[in-house]
This record gives sequence, C-alpha cells and structure tokens, in this order.
Amino acid sequence: DAGVIQSPRHEVTEMGQEVTLRCKPISGHNSLFWYRQTMMRGLELLIYFNNNVPIDDSGMPEDRFSAKMPNASFSTLKIQPSEPRDSAVYFCASSYYGASDTQYFGPGTRLTVL
Amino acid sequence: QQQVKQSPQSLIVQKGGISIINCAYENTAFDYFPWYQQFPGKGPALLIAIRPDVSEKKEGRFTISFNKSAKQFSLHIMDSQPGDSATYFCAARTQAGTALIFGKGTTLSVSS
Repeated sequence: DAGVIQSPRHEVTEMGQEVTLRCKPISGHNSLFWYRQTMMRGLELLIYFNNNVPIDDSGMPEDRFSAKMPNASFSTLKIQPSEPRDSAVYFCASSYYGASDTQYFGPGTRLTVL
Repeated sequence: QQQVKQSPQSLIVQKGGISIINCAYENTAFDYFPWYQQFPGKGPALLIAIRPDVSEKKEGRFTISFNKSAKQFSLHIMDSQPGDSATYFCAARTQAGTALIFGKGTTLSVSS
C-alpha cells in the first residue's frame, strides 16, 4: 500500500509568492492533518479534517494560510503571500478514526522562503 | 493545559544502555498516548502507544511506563542500538478523530 504522498518534497520560493503544498492521504482514511515542524516550535498542528470537513483550524497562523480538502483523496495547503518565517517542514498525516488511532505521516515538504 | 512537556531535549547513550525519555501532561481528558520516532528527512512514525487504563506496555525493546496519578509517561529503550538514533516525540490526544499534541522531541544518539 502506498503511504501518504506529499508534493513537492522541496520548495524554494521568494517572499511574497504563493505556495501550494499537496497531500494524498492513504486510501480509506477519513481524517487528514496538516502539521508544521520547526526547530523552535517543534511539531504543531495547523488544521485537520474529518470526512473532508475542516474541524479545527485554530493552528493556522493567519489569513495567509488556507487549506482545502475537495475530496477524500486530496488536500492542499496554500500560503499567500509567503514570508521567510513560513520556512519549515510541512507534514500531512492521515488516519481512520473509529478503527485505529494511528496517524500515518507523509515524508513532508521542506519549504524555504527567501 | 493542552501542552505535553518532554525531557530531555537530547540524550547520548552507549550501545547496550537504557534510554529513558519522559513526558508530562496536565489535561486529564487525554486518553491516548503514543510515541513517534523520526529519522532525518522522514516523517514521524508510530513506535508504541498506551491508554491510561494500563500502567505499562512493552513491545520488544521499547516500553511505555504510565503514571496516571502523576500525569506522566515515559519511554524506555532497552539495549539501545545505533539504529535507534533518531528524534522521539511523545504525544497525546483527547478522543479519536482529533489531532495529536506533540512534545518538543528528544534527539537520541546511541554511540557504538
């Protein structure tokens, strides 16, 4: 089985540009999570969806960040405009709540904003 | 209340030794406590997990000890190996379908 797929794996962009990160969860999973990892703040939740519906977006830093899940097999995290402080590794994770607690993480997208 | 406090930040252990990482929490509504292992350039992966109705869970060389009254739990790695060198995160959540709250992580180095 394919795990959680994220693209791109690396993204380098300039301040002010729009950045879109993509995630394909494990087939059959109904919960999807976006996390951000930095040295200073560790792993922090940005937003999560259950059955494609956003449940908690309190971790989204500000209006520059938005996330969508148009269907069960795809989600995007968009940053517009990007700033250097957004540089981090962004992880997507999925799980099947009701049957298992395990969250499966993707390989992450390393974002660098110059 | 939502925090999970993890210590130490880094740990160096000799091959064959015991690695111990500790976590503490405040929210008594937490009902699931996993440990995740992360290698450089990879996403975190579940290592072992425990629920508060059990005081200890062992899987191979990895053991979680859980103290509900003290609101603390710890990961013990017996016979530590160089391949165990990684970053370890404790986490907690309140109910199924909610996000994990992670500790800040412990970087473990096992010297040969």
